[in-house]
Amino acid sequence: AQTVTQSQPEMSVQEAETVTLSCTYDTSENNYYLFWYKQPPSRQMILVIRQEAYKQQNATENRFSVNFQKAAKSFSLKISDSQLGDTAMYFCAFIQTGANNLFFGTGTRLTVIP
Amino acid sequence: KAGVTQTPRYLIKTRGQQVTLSCSPISGHRSVSWYQQTPGQGLQFLFEYFSETQRNKGNFPGRFSGRQFSNSRSEMNVSTLELGDSALYLCASSFAGTQETQYFGPGTRLLVL
Repeated sequence: AQTVTQSQPEMSVQEAETVTLSCTYDTSENNYYLFWYKQPPSRQMILVIRQEAYKQQNATENRFSVNFQKAAKSFSLKISDSQLGDTAMYFCAFIQTGANNLFFGTGTRLTVIP
Repeated sequence: KAGVTQTPRYLIKTRGQQVTLSCSPISGHRSVSWYQQTPGQGLQFLFEYFSETQRNKGNFPGRFSGRQFSNSRSEMNVSTLELGDSALYLCASSFAGTQETQYFGPGTRLLVL
């Protein structure tokens, strides 16, 4: 069974600083996809970034980047130049190739302090 | 392109009643997945529909059911509501459903009294 673990329930960061959110997962599959979703107070789940397991290159999207360590089953999210609008719950999610259901971690509540 | 829409946004029901939630996917998307989000259990997969067929189902009792229409719109139904069904119900759509990025709607917040 796939499991996703986010060990940091809450984090805070000063505006304009950099923060890294951790995620580990457990799977016996070799092909899968990993995601970071953001859920602001409005509750709308928004895709932040996606990583295909077969790609060695870490995904980046503007201020957001990941550190994907396949052997260690680790998938951390780095947010650079943090902005007040980054305040949200961040969920790490996993889906195996050919499947149609996401497995989510328990989330990390990030607060950006002005 | 319009995003995923869900109606209603908020619902209050009493125990024993039933409820129907609706989800309209992004235009062109044929897969719709439903998730339940609660403080205690987190985000859990309910079921996924593709081309009007349920392809996968999570570990929920039979009181939870769904369907998908020919225009890819989906509904989920919860019968004989229990207090524990109070949750945010999220719908997500994708083009074909398998390993693709799922785009979420704003959710329906259900409160069972």
